Amino acid sequence: ETGVTQTPRHLVMGMTNKKSLKCEQHLGHNAMYWYKQSAKKPLELMFVYNFKEQTENNSVPSRFSPECPNSSHLFLHLHTLQPEDSALYLCASSQETDWTYNEQFFGPGTRLTVL
Amino acid sequence: GEDVEQSLFLSVREGDSSVINCTYTDSSSTYLYWYKQEPGAGLQLLTYIFSNMDMKQDQRLTVLLNKKDKHLSLRIADTQTGDSAIYFCAERGGTGNQFYFGTGTSLTVIP
Repeated sequence: ETGVTQTPRHLVMGMTNKKSLKCEQHLGHNAMYWYKQSAKKPLELMFVYNFKEQTENNSVPSRFSPECPNSSHLFLHLHTLQPEDSALYLCASSQETDWTYNEQFFGPGTRLTVL
Repeated sequence: GEDVEQSLFLSVREGDSSVINCTYTDSSSTYLYWYKQEPGAGLQLLTYIFSNMDMKQDQRLTVLLNKKDKHLSLRIADTQTGDSAIYFCAERGGTGNQFYFGTGTSLTVIP
């Protein structure tokens, strides 16, 4: 499989559940990102990993916990979420996070609904 | 964080030109981007422009950058129904690995 894949594509969970989103990239990139896409709001960068090290955390609540075991895999662990966390969660990867135009390749997203 | 603003919706007739506008606040932006998102898919890079350029053309796409006014636009010539999608403006901040995106503009092409 090529590109950036995300599983599951859809997830419905209660506020007390614990679940994880998975992202995998088959592009040989060394940087990976989590974004949150909500209707009528700017796409929001949540976390950045570069060579498995977290380099950005944009004041994301602790109920979202990222994990990057290697450069190809990125997880977002979810626990005690709120209904306002319902959104499309997009994963992206890029070759590097240095000063180049740094094209990001996005996965199709996981549509999360919190009841 | 920095603000990137776009209008939410745009409708054009097939064959006409589309112009999608974007304003941003970070004066230290290095790169500015246009991404396209089709239904059920992630974002895909359409084009980008380095901050020291004022225009870039790529086939039907023309990007104009007015750095003084912090205004970016994307013109699509001869718009086709396949161009219907959400278009995101984004900038790469001057510090760190920050990317700031707008809300996206939903383009509808009317046959």
